[in-house]
Amino acid sequence: AQSVTQLDSQVPVFEEAPVELRCNYSSSVSVYLFWYVQYPNQGLQLLLKYLSGSTLVESINGFEAEFNKSQTSFHLRKPSVHISDTAEYFCAVRTLTLNTGFQKLVFGTGTRLLVSP
Amino acid sequence: DVKVTQSSRYLVKRTGEKVFLECVQDMDHENMFWYRQDPGLGLRLIYFSYDVKMKEKGDIPEGYSVSREKKERFSLILESASTNQTSMYLCASNGVSNYGYTFGSGTRLTVV
Repeated sequence: AQSVTQLDSQVPVFEEAPVELRCNYSSSVSVYLFWYVQYPNQGLQLLLKYLSGSTLVESINGFEAEFNKSQTSFHLRKPSVHISDTAEYFCAVRTLTLNTGFQKLVFGTGTRLLVSP
Repeated sequence: DVKVTQSSRYLVKRTGEKVFLECVQDMDHENMFWYRQDPGLGLRLIYFSYDVKMKEKGDIPEGYSVSREKKERFSLILESASTNQTSMYLCASNGVSNYGYTFGSGTRLTVV
């Protein structure tokens, strides 16, 4: 079964510092990967996704993630974080049920990013 | 933009009550999902539906049921609420050609 692992439950960082949130996946078929963000008391919002093509994908608010097949990773990075980036971040991988063709997402346990002044 | 609306942001219910959580999406999506979110456990899939009147169990269906009588509406039912069902419940939807989900804002349920 496909799965994702987010090893860091919490990442504290100072404002304007760089950050990396780690995600490793296990998959034996074509990989579709996602990062979602959840701000306090809200639902999840799609941050970025990798479906195919360029292994580096970017979001509109300065985050980027790189698909690394050899290391089975999809780490999320930002060169300089803001207080407003404080949120929980979830990595997800598409799973495919072979007999039905139904696709659904499997989520990691989340990483809480805490940005302090 | 796709909108997924969950009818309640906060609910407090008593043990043993029958609880209905409602979710409505407005983009004609075929697939709808119910997750619960707990600290340290991430999102766990309870049930999903890929068509009207069709439903499939997710990873943790025990104690829950669902109903999808119309394409836009997917209801989660707690037949007899228990304190271990206190959680954040998230509804999501997507179309057959979409790979990502659109989520609702969540319902935080407390069972006392």
